Amino acid sequence: AQTVTQSQPEMSVQEAETVTLSCTYDTSESDYYLFWYKQPPSRQMILVIRQEAYKQQNATENRFSVNFQKAAKSFSLKISDSQLGDAAMYFCAYRSAGGNTPLVFGKGTRLSVIA
Amino acid sequence: NAGVTQTPKFRVLKTGQSMTLLCAQDMNHEYMYWYRQDPGMGLRLIHYSVGEGTTAKGEVPDGYNVSRLKKQNFLLGLESAAPSQTSVYFCASNRGINQPQHFGDGTRLSIL
Repeated sequence: AQTVTQSQPEMSVQEAETVTLSCTYDTSESDYYLFWYKQPPSRQMILVIRQEAYKQQNATENRFSVNFQKAAKSFSLKISDSQLGDAAMYFCAYRSAGGNTPLVFGKGTRLSVIA
Repeated sequence: NAGVTQTPKFRVLKTGQSMTLLCAQDMNHEYMYWYRQDPGMGLRLIHYSVGEGTTAKGEVPDGYNVSRLKKQNFLLGLESAAPSQTSVYFCASNRGINQPQHFGDGTRLSIL
C-alpha cells in the first residue's frame, strides 16, 4: 500500500519570506498523481496544486510551486512571498493513476506565518 | 454553486445512539468519499463510491455504513456510536478519479 510522509508537523515563516514543506511517498507504481491541499482554520480543504507523475515539469500556481523528484519519491511545496492568509494545515496526498483508487493523505504540516 | 454540502455541521451523541450524516453535491460528480480527520492523523478514508448504487470500503470502514441511492447524495451511518468515532468528518466528490476532489466544510461529531 502507498504511504505519504510529512516529516514536519509544524513550520513557521516570516511574512514575505519563502518556506518549503516536505513530502515523501512510497510506491511501486510509475504513474500517479500528487496533490497539496490547504486546510485553514475554517476547516475547508482547498486544492493548492497538482502534479502528474509522467510530467517532468514542476507544477506552479502563482506563489506556490513544487519540487517533484520522482526518483527520490519527494514532492515538496514551496510558498513564495508568504502571506498571513497562508497560515493553515497543509496536506500532501497521493493517488494511483489506474483503477478507482482514492487519495492517500499525509498527516499534515501546520504552517504559521509571522507578521 | 453550493458545491459539496454536509449536514449537520455539529452533533453530540451518546454512546450507542445512531445517526446519519448527509453529503450532497450539485456538480453531477460520479465519485464521492467520506473521510475522518483526527488530530495528528491527517485524513483517513472511511468509504467511497464510484457511482450511484455503488460503495466500497476505505482504510477505516469498521463501525460505519454508507449508501449512494442517488448520484448527488452519499450518506454515512453510525449504527451504534462509540467514543472512538469522535472526529471531524469530511465528504468529498470529484467528476473523475483523476480530477481534484471538492470537499465539504466538515461535520464535527462528539460521542460521549
